[in-house]
Amino acid sequence: AQSVTQLDSHVSVSEGTPVLLRCNYSSSYSPSLFWYVQHPNKGLQLLLKYTSAATLVKGINGFEAEFKKSETSFHLTKPSAHMSDAAEYFCVVLTGGGNKLTFGTGTQLKVEL
Amino acid sequence: DTAVSQTPKYLVTQMGNDKSIKCEQNLGHDTMYWYKQDSKKFLKIMFSYNNKELIINETVPNRFSPKSPDKAHLNLHINSLELGDSAVYFCASSQDSNNSPLHFGNGTRLTVT
Repeated sequence: AQSVTQLDSHVSVSEGTPVLLRCNYSSSYSPSLFWYVQHPNKGLQLLLKYTSAATLVKGINGFEAEFKKSETSFHLTKPSAHMSDAAEYFCVVLTGGGNKLTFGTGTQLKVEL
Repeated sequence: DTAVSQTPKYLVTQMGNDKSIKCEQNLGHDTMYWYKQDSKKFLKIMFSYNNKELIINETVPNRFSPKSPDKAHLNLHINSLELGDSAVYFCASSQDSNNSPLHFGNGTRLTVT
């Protein structure tokens, strides 16, 4: 069965420094993977998705993620954090027909001045 | 011009009551979903409808009954509310049920006292 594990529940960075949010996946075949962001008291918004095309996926707001099969990872990165990036980030895998998604436990990103 | 709108935003009610949450999408999407987010921010799918037909029905108490009068609406009715039903419920939609990204509403925070 497909699953994702987010390795950090909280990440804190200074504004202007790089962001790294880690996600490992478990899948018996090439998975479809996503990153979603949730700002406080808001719904979730798709940042980017990987569906077995290019392994480096660029998303919105300067985020990108690299699919590494050898490491079963799909880490989310951004070169320079902005205060507005503070939010909860979810790594997600497509796990079944009907577009069924399974969410990771989330990583809360804090951005400090 | 909100894409996925759900009402109410907040719902406070007593145990044993019956309540409904409404969801509407104006994106012309074929597929709609209900997700539950618990107090630890864990998200889990409850139901999915494609063109008014139920396609995903996770292990959810039968006190929860989704209803889709047309493909733009997916309402959630909950009978005999319990304390454990307290959570944030998110409605979402996607173009289809084949790996399309989800668009989420802003959530309904249900508190059962």
